[in-house]
Amino acid sequence: AQTVTQSQPEMSVQEAETVTLSCTYDTSESDYYLFWYKQPPSRQMILVIRQEAYKQQNATENRFSVNFQKAAKSFSLKISDSQLGDAAMYFCAYRSASRDDKIIFGKGTRLHILP
Amino acid sequence: ETGVTQSPTHLIKTRGQQVTLRCSSQSGHNTVSWYQQALGQGPQFIFQYYREEENGRGNFPPRFSGLQFPNYSSELNVNALELDDSALYLCASSKSPRTGGETQYFGPGTRLLVL
Repeated sequence: AQTVTQSQPEMSVQEAETVTLSCTYDTSESDYYLFWYKQPPSRQMILVIRQEAYKQQNATENRFSVNFQKAAKSFSLKISDSQLGDAAMYFCAYRSASRDDKIIFGKGTRLHILP
Repeated sequence: ETGVTQSPTHLIKTRGQQVTLRCSSQSGHNTVSWYQQALGQGPQFIFQYYREEENGRGNFPPRFSGLQFPNYSSELNVNALELDDSALYLCASSKSPRTGGETQYFGPGTRLLVL
């Protein structure tokens, strides 16, 4: 069974600085999708970025980028120029390309932005 | 474009009662997935509905059941409520699971408290 592990329950970063959130996963599959979702206090789970495993190029979305290391089964999220609105729970998630139903989530990392 | 909506936002029930939660999918999406998020945890997959049929189920007992309607909206029903059912229930919609439906978009959730 696939698992997703986020080893940092909480992190803090100074406003305007850069922070990296870690995620590792375990799977025997070769084709899959990885995601980072953000959940602010409003509870709405918002998609931040996604990566297809067959793509070697790391995904980027404005200030958000990932470091996808397929062999190491690592998928970290880098947030540049951190803003107060980035404060939230961040969840790393996995979806098989062959099993077309569920997304598997990690336990999350709570990110604090210090003014 | 209308996003995913859920109702009600909050609900309080007593042990043994039954509850129905509702979800309207995003425009253009025909698949709905339901997740349970306990406090301080990542979401856990309950089940998914595609074309009004269950398309996958997580490790939840049969007292968790669902429906999908022709307009792609969905209901989650929970019978014989237990205290451990207290959680945030998230609905996510996506395109057809086998063709581009790998990314799920979430609603704001329903907070259920069982006393």
